[in-house]
Amino acid sequence: GAGVSQSPSNKVTEKGKDVELRCDPISGHTALYWYRQSLGQGLEFLIYFQGNSAPDKSGLPSDRFSAERTGGSVSTLTIQRTQQEDSAVYLCASSATKETQYFGPGTRLLVL
Amino acid sequence: QKEVEQNSGPLSVPEGAIASLNCTYSDRGSQSFFWYRQYSGKSPELIMFIYSNGDKEDGRFTAQLNKASQYVSLLIRDSQPSDSATYLCAVNRAANNLFFGTGTRLTVIP
Repeated sequence: GAGVSQSPSNKVTEKGKDVELRCDPISGHTALYWYRQSLGQGLEFLIYFQGNSAPDKSGLPSDRFSAERTGGSVSTLTIQRTQQEDSAVYLCASSATKETQYFGPGTRLLVL
Repeated sequence: QKEVEQNSGPLSVPEGAIASLNCTYSDRGSQSFFWYRQYSGKSPELIMFIYSNGDKEDGRFTAQLNKASQYVSLLIRDSQPSDSATYLCAVNRAANNLFFGTGTRLTVIP
């Protein structure tokens, strides 16, 4: 079946611009996660959605970052007023169980 | 202290040898432990998870967990060049997000 999909696959933007990254989870998966991976680094947790519960936003690095999940399915991660240090690969994962997460291909963001 | 620590490597082993990847974690309340493989430029893919002390085997892979020592490892038997990748250790506490280590880069030399 279809896996987690993300769009765009690559995004180049200018400092100060806003960007939106999209994630389509695996159908039926109630949990959705956003991570960030900088070059040569591990995955940094950003935000977690579970069903209709309030999201766990504890990993968001600043108030420039926000995320929504509409209808319990598609999620959008928005970064406002992008900075060069926001350049990274943004990974989305979904899961049906509490633990087993399946990752999408990621969006490579470059802020010039 | 980081939540999850791994030796960044690189770790090089000859083809056919056993590769041993190690990970320590800081929170004794951690409940679930995962190994992900990440090829260069690709997203992580789950290899194994383990909950209980001891060994868990799946094909050429064995995960080992020692909660008293806060230590989890991954053994890869009969290493193949296709196993060359970065291996990420991840830990789940009572909350629902995973804490990832920075990964160990493994190179299997033909």
